[in-house]
Amino acid sequence: DAGVIQSPRHEVTEMGQEVTLRCKPISGHDYLFWYRQTMMRGLELLIYFNNNVPIDDSGMPEDRFSAKMPNASFSTLKIQPSEPRDSAVYFCASSLASGGPYNEQFFGPGTRLTVL
Amino acid sequence: SQQGEEDPQALSIQEGENATMNCSYKTSINNLQWYRQNSGRGLVHLILIRSNEREKHSGRLRVTLDTSKKSSSLLITASRAADTASYFCATGEGGSEKLVFGKGTKLTVNP
Repeated sequence: DAGVIQSPRHEVTEMGQEVTLRCKPISGHDYLFWYRQTMMRGLELLIYFNNNVPIDDSGMPEDRFSAKMPNASFSTLKIQPSEPRDSAVYFCASSLASGGPYNEQFFGPGTRLTVL
Repeated sequence: SQQGEEDPQALSIQEGENATMNCSYKTSINNLQWYRQNSGRGLVHLILIRSNEREKHSGRLRVTLDTSKKSSSLLITASRAADTASYFCATGEGGSEKLVFGKGTKLTVNP
């Protein structure tokens, strides 16, 4: 398996523009997680899905952020409009629930977002 | 909000020495996991310890968990330059798959 795939790897945009980050989880995994990593706040969970259904979006910072998972092999995280404080590395991770309780998460390589 | 807090924030050692990193957390957990992150990469799972376990080994890694003190430690024995990375603890609570990560310990192993 290729692992979790994220695109783009780097994104530079201007304030006010819409940004869409994409993720393909590992085939067969039940859970998908979106995280944001910054020096100041560390790694924060934004939202996670189980079988394509959002379970907990309490980490989504504000209405400018939205996430979707239209099928088991694809998810998007959208920021509209983007602001300089959204600059961070965004990670997608997936896990296999049927492997037992308390499962390890597999992370993608991340998308480094810079908002000017 | 952060659940786990790693200590120290940064650690520099010589190749061959042992490295110990600590993690403290605040609330009850059902499992604690350690992850490694190489510069510019995603996190990689190292080891998971359940709340009813006290110690676990995996190769050169040894993890301990003390639920009474709400703390865990990760020991890397006979360190190598390739172990240079940031190490994060993550705690799981309740029946959720959700993990809460600490801010990490940056380990540098000098050849």
